[in-house]
Amino acid sequence: DARVTQTPRDKVTEMGQEVTMRCQPILGHNTVFWYRQTMMQGLELLAYFRNRAPLDDSGMPKDRFSAEMPDATLATLKIQPSEPRDSAVYFCASGLPRLAGGDNEQFFGPGTRLTVL
Amino acid sequence: DAKTTQPPSMDCAEGRAANLPCNHSTISGNEYVYWYRQIHSQGPQYIIHGLKNNETNEMASLIITEDRKSSTLILPHATLRDTAVYYCIAHTGGFKTIFGAGTRLFVKA
Repeated sequence: DARVTQTPRDKVTEMGQEVTMRCQPILGHNTVFWYRQTMMQGLELLAYFRNRAPLDDSGMPKDRFSAEMPDATLATLKIQPSEPRDSAVYFCASGLPRLAGGDNEQFFGPGTRLTVL
Repeated sequence: DAKTTQPPSMDCAEGRAANLPCNHSTISGNEYVYWYRQIHSQGPQYIIHGLKNNETNEMASLIITEDRKSSTLILPHATLRDTAVYYCIAHTGGFKTIFGAGTRLFVKA
């Protein structure tokens, strides 16, 4: 049963520290998405990659957030320096979207719950 | 992508059908309707999608009106495990998916 995996599942850190979240997409999926979820804002799209290239990171605060795909099996989301307002659940999702619109379902990982003190 | 409107919450009795409505009156001809759900503390889960024909899979049925301005997700025999937030999304495909607030479904024993 293919699944998206994310590590760590929980992270507690202090303000100013660097945080790295990792995602392993489903093998064969060429698109990876990063989302952030808070009670106030709901589920927000931060960035997404296709074939390891960033397509859109307009939802991501540029000064402290960065997202990369070092290879097809690993996506990372880094926050440096972290701030209390970054506390949220961060989800990674993968898929094989088609521009025609059908078969664009995304498969989500279990999320990383980040708490910045 | 077309804006979608869903009721903020709904109740359903266990064993009964849960019918979750979604309004997408500005949907364009090439936009699909997708449904996801999110059970507490888990990542969203894809349920079903359709363009204009009704669709059914092992999880649910999707009924899209003839004018495509609204749709209904049907869980035929709701169980307590179906308690979740259900998201209706209309988009043309490609990559960007915008999630709204969804409908919080409470299935009661």
